[in-house]
Amino acid sequence: AQSVSQHNHHVILSEAASLELGCNYSYGGTVNLFWYVQYPGQHLQLLLKYFSGDPLVKGIKGFEAEFIKSKFSFNLRKPSVQWSDTAEYFCAVNAASGGYQKVTFGTGTKLQVIP
Amino acid sequence: DTAVSQTPKYLVTQMGNDKSIKCEQNLGHDTMYWYKQDSKKFLKIMFSYNNKELIINETVPNRFSPKSPDKAHLNLHINSLELGDSAVYFCASSQERLAGSWDTQYFGPGTRLTVL
Repeated sequence: AQSVSQHNHHVILSEAASLELGCNYSYGGTVNLFWYVQYPGQHLQLLLKYFSGDPLVKGIKGFEAEFIKSKFSFNLRKPSVQWSDTAEYFCAVNAASGGYQKVTFGTGTKLQVIP
Repeated sequence: DTAVSQTPKYLVTQMGNDKSIKCEQNLGHDTMYWYKQDSKKFLKIMFSYNNKELIINETVPNRFSPKSPDKAHLNLHINSLELGDSAVYFCASSQERLAGSWDTQYFGPGTRLTVL
């Protein structure tokens, strides 16, 4: 069964600090990878995605993620966070499972940015 | 224009009642989903549905049933509500890619269900 692990449950950073959120998945086949963000009281929206090609993916608001196939990882990074980045971040994996498409979300990482 | 909309936004009800949550998308997507987000923000897919098939998460109780009158709507009906059903329910939609995989999911604003 495919699974997604986000090891950082709660991250607290000061503004301008660099961010890296971990995401590891367990699935041996072809995967599509996503990072979603959920701002307080809002719905999830896409930050970035990876299907194929360049493993370094750039998303909105200065976020980027790197797909490392050998490590089954898709870590999210931002060089300098802002207070407005305070939110919950979810990694997600889409892959075929048992003949069906399936998407699995990680448990989320709560990011708190202190002004 | 709202891409994915849900009604109601809040739903407070008693145990044992039956309730429905409506979802509509105007993106022309062919696949829609229902998710449950618990108090710890854990997000679990309940159903995915397109014009070909309904995929049910086997851990979802059969008190939950999706109903799709057409491609743009996927409603969630819940029978005999229980305290543990209290959560935020999100509807989402996406377009199927050529390879059969799913593209970006567009989420609705969520419905906060409270069962008393």
